[in-house]
Amino acid sequence: EPEVTQTPSHQVTQMGQEVILRCVPISNHLYFYWYRQILGQKVEFLVSFYNNEISEKSEIFDDQFSVERPDGSNFTLKIRSTKLEDSAMYFCASRSTGIQPQHFGDGTRLSIL
Amino acid sequence: GQQVMQIPQYQHVQEGEDFTTYCNSSTTLSNIQWYKQRPGGHPVFLIQLVKSGEVKKQKRLTFQFGEAKKNSSLHITATQTTDVGTYFCAGGNTGGFKTIFGAGTRLFVKA
Repeated sequence: EPEVTQTPSHQVTQMGQEVILRCVPISNHLYFYWYRQILGQKVEFLVSFYNNEISEKSEIFDDQFSVERPDGSNFTLKIRSTKLEDSAMYFCASRSTGIQPQHFGDGTRLSIL
Repeated sequence: GQQVMQIPQYQHVQEGEDFTTYCNSSTTLSNIQWYKQRPGGHPVFLIQLVKSGEVKKQKRLTFQFGEAKKNSSLHITATQTTDVGTYFCAGGNTGGFKTIFGAGTRLFVKA
């Protein structure tokens, strides 16, 4: 069964540095999402992306964050000037249409030191 | 902004007992999705409800969507140890561009 693939599985970065989290959505999917989950807490919506542009974003998704679909397969989340509170699990998800199930990747654990 | 509340936060049951988690949205939803997350894992889609008053069953799991499309519940009959994990409801808006998760209910099942 097709899967959403995320790399790296774990990223350790110094505070203030920039990180790029990578995702390869399922190939025929058109809707892409990033979520964040701080350890032991709920899954928080960050941003959705459709038709090569951001569809919706949450209050969390400020100027520190950006997303890109640089080619036909990758979907990236860039976090600039990382802070300690950015430490979390970041999940990418994709779906074929707006009403089909979302498929989540295994996540990238981001640790900011 | 839109909020999705979910209770209880934790539930400990004996194997064979039933379990229910409840979800309530501050606004009318286009749809409600339910996910299960095992410790260390990612959310796994269980079901999506779209219609007012809809009830769906998956084996021992029963999902309901309220008439006003603002609340939902998941009921597990005769829990098994394989049911352990955190169950999240997630409210979706029209178009599928935004999904707001509840805080989740972590289920512990004692054999």
